[in-house]
Amino acid sequence: EAGVVQSPRYKIIEKKQPVAFWCNPISGHNTLYWYRQNLGQGPELLIRYENEEAVDDSQLPKDRFSAERLKGVDSTLKIQPAELGDSAVYLCASSLRVSSYNEQFFGPGTRLTVL
Amino acid sequence: AQTVTQSQPEMSVQEAETVTLSCTYDTSENNYYLFWYKQPPSRQMILVIRQEAYKQQNATENRFSVNFQKAAKSFSLKISDSQLGDTAMYFCAFISPQGGSEKLVFGKGTKLTVNP
Repeated sequence: EAGVVQSPRYKIIEKKQPVAFWCNPISGHNTLYWYRQNLGQGPELLIRYENEEAVDDSQLPKDRFSAERLKGVDSTLKIQPAELGDSAVYLCASSLRVSSYNEQFFGPGTRLTVL
Repeated sequence: AQTVTQSQPEMSVQEAETVTLSCTYDTSENNYYLFWYKQPPSRQMILVIRQEAYKQQNATENRFSVNFQKAAKSFSLKISDSQLGDTAMYFCAFISPQGGSEKLVFGKGTKLTVNP
């Protein structure tokens, strides 16, 4: 069974440029998460989707970040314009809601460097 | 707000020996789950072990076991017979499904190095 797929693995851009990250969750998983992991820190949730609905985007900086999951499958996270402080690893995770707790499976992440 | 604290930024252990990583957390919830995740240089976050707060018995997965002290809000990870492949960042994490939230709250991590 294929795991969570993310692309690209690495991205280097100049500040003020736009950037997008793509995530394809495990087949059948209805919940999708985007996390940001700053250097030397643990991941922090940016947004959670239940199917195509964003049910928790309270930590997403909405002035420059946007996300979509149009058909409830794959998802795109965008930053426009990027700032130096956006340099981080962006992790995608997915889970299948079957009980009160649903194990989250993580992708390999995209390492973003903003110059 | 829930917080997770890992007080050991780095640790090292000799191959085949035992090491314990510490974690404390703060919550007012009664129903929650605790986890240890491993993140090797490849960055893939891998679940090592899970503990349900309502279970008194400590979870065990092969060489990995936890010491869960609910009253003290402590959740340490013991790795027995350490192997070179155990070298990685280890993150303690918390989740409470109450209120519909499914946000994993992570600590800052402990970098573990297993020496040959």
